[in-house]
Amino acid sequence: AQSVTQLGSHVSVSEGALVLLRCNYSSSVPPYLFWYVQYPNQGLQLLLKYTTGATLVKGINGFEAEFKKSETSFHLTKPSAHMSDAAEYFCAVSGGGADGLTFGKGTHLIIQP
Amino acid sequence: DTAVSQTPKYLVTQMGNDKSIKCEQNLGHDTMYWYKQDSKKFLKIMFSYNNKELIINETVPNRFSPKSPDKAHLNLHINSLELGDSAVYFCASSQVHSAGQETQYFGPGTRLLVL
Repeated sequence: AQSVTQLGSHVSVSEGALVLLRCNYSSSVPPYLFWYVQYPNQGLQLLLKYTTGATLVKGINGFEAEFKKSETSFHLTKPSAHMSDAAEYFCAVSGGGADGLTFGKGTHLIIQP
Repeated sequence: DTAVSQTPKYLVTQMGNDKSIKCEQNLGHDTMYWYKQDSKKFLKIMFSYNNKELIINETVPNRFSPKSPDKAHLNLHINSLELGDSAVYFCASSQVHSAGQETQYFGPGTRLLVL
């Protein structure tokens, strides 16, 4: 069984500041980890994913995340926030195969001008 | 060119009615999923189908019945709609192989409102 905890339902940063969205997971098997972004009234778009190999994963729009097995974490970062980054961000875990994704409760990212 | 499409985009209906949501993917994937997103934006897997075979059936009321006529389609039929069924329903697809979990691609969602 898997579970995901996203710390902070709302995160507010200033434009140009570092974005850090936290995600911790629990998995009984080697996890596959994902970050998705959801803009208002839209579907989910993949930002990045970790399956195997390099633990630092780069995604779209300047985001990256680091898989830390010892900390069971997969935090999402971006060096400099842009107004267009304002959205809902979801961390998800899967055990592989035809497993569905288990999502965290989401973090609403607010960008202050 | 839409990879995963859903119809309708919006669905407003009365309690007790029966409705269907259709999903199609043109990515050649062998696995399709239905997720429900509630009013607090929490996303939960409902079903997954691999090569038209039901793989996951989470604790969903049996009023919900998925049907996969072929690998490219996964429809969701809901009987006797209840107020609590109001949500956004997302279809997704992915390619499954022994090496691991491929990306799940999501449709735009169907916003269901039960009055």
